[in-house]
Amino acid sequence: DGGITQSPKYLFRKEGQNVTLSCEQNLNHDAMYWYRQDPGQGLRLIYYSQIVNDFQKGDIAEGYSVSREKKESFPLTVTSAQKNPTAFYLCAVSVGSGNTIYFGEGSWLTVV
Amino acid sequence: AQKITQTQPGMFVQEKEAVTLDCTYDTSDPSYGLFWYKQPSSGEMIFLIYQGSYDQQNATEGRYSLNFQKARKSANLVISASQLGDSAMYFCAMRVLNTGGFKTIFGAGTRLFVKA
Repeated sequence: DGGITQSPKYLFRKEGQNVTLSCEQNLNHDAMYWYRQDPGQGLRLIYYSQIVNDFQKGDIAEGYSVSREKKESFPLTVTSAQKNPTAFYLCAVSVGSGNTIYFGEGSWLTVV
Repeated sequence: AQKITQTQPGMFVQEKEAVTLDCTYDTSDPSYGLFWYKQPSSGEMIFLIYQGSYDQQNATEGRYSLNFQKARKSANLVISASQLGDSAMYFCAMRVLNTGGFKTIFGAGTRLFVKA
């Protein structure tokens, strides 16, 4: 089955722990993105990557880190430095200048 | 600064009526793309429609059309013949070329309620 796979779908984390959210795609698209969505709010850009081994900070990168070692994978680490990490996280991919952005199903992160 | 603004937090429409969801954008880049997405309560993001900045005609996809007014920097979504299943959050987004590649930013969204 083609598309974007995010895992886990639900994750609970204790305060002070790092957690990594996975995003894998088999669409062979270059650009990948991570967004954060708080309840009833819009999507805010955390990080984005156009090519392997390169990525850029979005609007709310503090407390997060990413890597892009393979075209297919763009994992997001929520570090203990992120003050309020409880949110819905969405991964997306696109063909650079393309006219469609594809989204994964999202990951719900709750800090307990 | 690059920005997307959706000024309607919530909208109500009667079933079978048309509704317009507002979106304005700000960018100095002459080349950009505009998107609309639907997000039902399940959380998935459903692509609705796309408009490129150089497209001469307004985009249409079934019951969805995008009213693109470039000089006013607006890209309103028109949904014709509303259905109960249209009740959801709707997001306007803009893609621009930025440092390190194409960046896509989203507005705060409009929640649409369709009444029977």
